[in-house]
Amino acid sequence: EIVLTQSPGTLSLSPGERATLSCRASQSVTSNYLAWYQQKPGQAPRLLIYAASGRATGIPDRFSASGSGTDFTLTVSRLEPEDFAVYYCQQYGTSPFTFGPGTKVDIK
Amino acid sequence: QVQLVQSGAEVKKPGASVKVSCKASRYIFPGYYMHWVRQAPGQGPEWMGWINPKSGATNYAQKFQGWLTMTRDTSSGTAYMELSRLSSDDTAVYYCAITDYSLDAFQFWGPGTMVAVSS
Repeated sequence: EIVLTQSPGTLSLSPGERATLSCRASQSVTSNYLAWYQQKPGQAPRLLIYAASGRATGIPDRFSASGSGTDFTLTVSRLEPEDFAVYYCQQYGTSPFTFGPGTKVDIK
Repeated sequence: QVQLVQSGAEVKKPGASVKVSCKASRYIFPGYYMHWVRQAPGQGPEWMGWINPKSGATNYAQKFQGWLTMTRDTSSGTAYMELSRLSSDDTAVYYCAITDYSLDAFQFWGPGTMVAVSS
């Protein structure tokens, strides 16, 4: 199965700052079917990005993503208070679909 | 907007089975894929498999082969996930999520069902 590694494990930033999160796959992600999710305590994950760079419906344009093959990046251009959460990447191109361990973005 | 309604929290003893349901809010059920994802406390999500409600076809992660069963009731628009031979490692929140295609990001999620396994 494809193993996803996310870095850093925790990112401590202030509102208004830029966040850059990394996701690396153990092998190439088929068709760049890589998604990013945001999760807050007690809630289901929320889809932010699909197919490596496509923004999901209703997601603000401060969220952007890029990458291909095995290396992917999620960027939040200016952190808003509601953006402090855990972020997961997921590959859905090859079964079993796998998730990364997450990056927690907390308030500095 | 698709809404998914899941059954309530469960407490089970080791060795028992649990069956969790997920009902779609509209009559869109047959054309979609229903995935099940679980998340143990403090851990990342773990994909378990999907069922195609129209055909009944399933695709389980190899880890769950032999002790996971996904079924559906097309008349009520409800999908079921049954996990047998429970152990404490199965304590988790179980989510359903619906997609248009088998290879698709998970746009719509259920609220989750807590399953606790304890003696």
